[in-house]
Amino acid sequence: KAGVTQTPRYLIKTRGQQVTLSCSPISGHRSVSWYQQTPGQGLQFLFEYFSETQRNKGNFPGRFSGRQFSNSRSEMNVSTLELGDSALYLCASSFKDGNTIYFGEGSWLTVV
Amino acid sequence: AQSVTQPDIHITVSEGASLELRCNYSYGATPYLFWYVQSPGQGLQLLLKYFSGDTLVQGIKGFEAEFKRSQSSFNLRKPSVHWSDAAEYFCAVGEGGNQFYFGTGTSLTVIP
Repeated sequence: KAGVTQTPRYLIKTRGQQVTLSCSPISGHRSVSWYQQTPGQGLQFLFEYFSETQRNKGNFPGRFSGRQFSNSRSEMNVSTLELGDSALYLCASSFKDGNTIYFGEGSWLTVV
Repeated sequence: AQSVTQPDIHITVSEGASLELRCNYSYGATPYLFWYVQSPGQGLQLLLKYFSGDTLVQGIKGFEAEFKRSQSSFNLRKPSVHWSDAAEYFCAVGEGGNQFYFGTGTSLTVIP
């Protein structure tokens, strides 16, 4: 069974641009969550989607948004990029509530 | 609010020596507890998890962890460290949904 797949793996953007990251969960998993990882802040929860509905949201500005499609694939979008948005963005999927979450390898975003 | 503390930012051990990584959590009820490992440039791989039952849990790669409710701890142990264990280790707590709280991580260096 394939794991969580994230695309693109690496990207460089300029301040003020926007970016869209994609995540394909493990087959059969309906919950997808996103995390931002930075050296200074560690792993921080962005949001979680289940059956196309956002159920939880972390403490991030409205520039960070996401969505989930009917096939459970998810995208997250960051608008008006700032230098501080440079980070590893990790997607994780889970079969059901309270169960283990499995991570993808992440998308490395560099904002210049 | 839930929180996870990993008091040791960096640990260095000799190959073949035993290892214990500390994790303390703050949570009102019995949490779901996890240890993940992250190699450079990679996503997070699940080592082990505790949901309920036996407080000593076995994981992959020879790791084990013990849940101690009285100490709000979930320390990770390995009897004999291998050079390939060098990585970043994260303790996490879940509350039944799919929003997880992570510690800041412990970086492990293994000396030959």
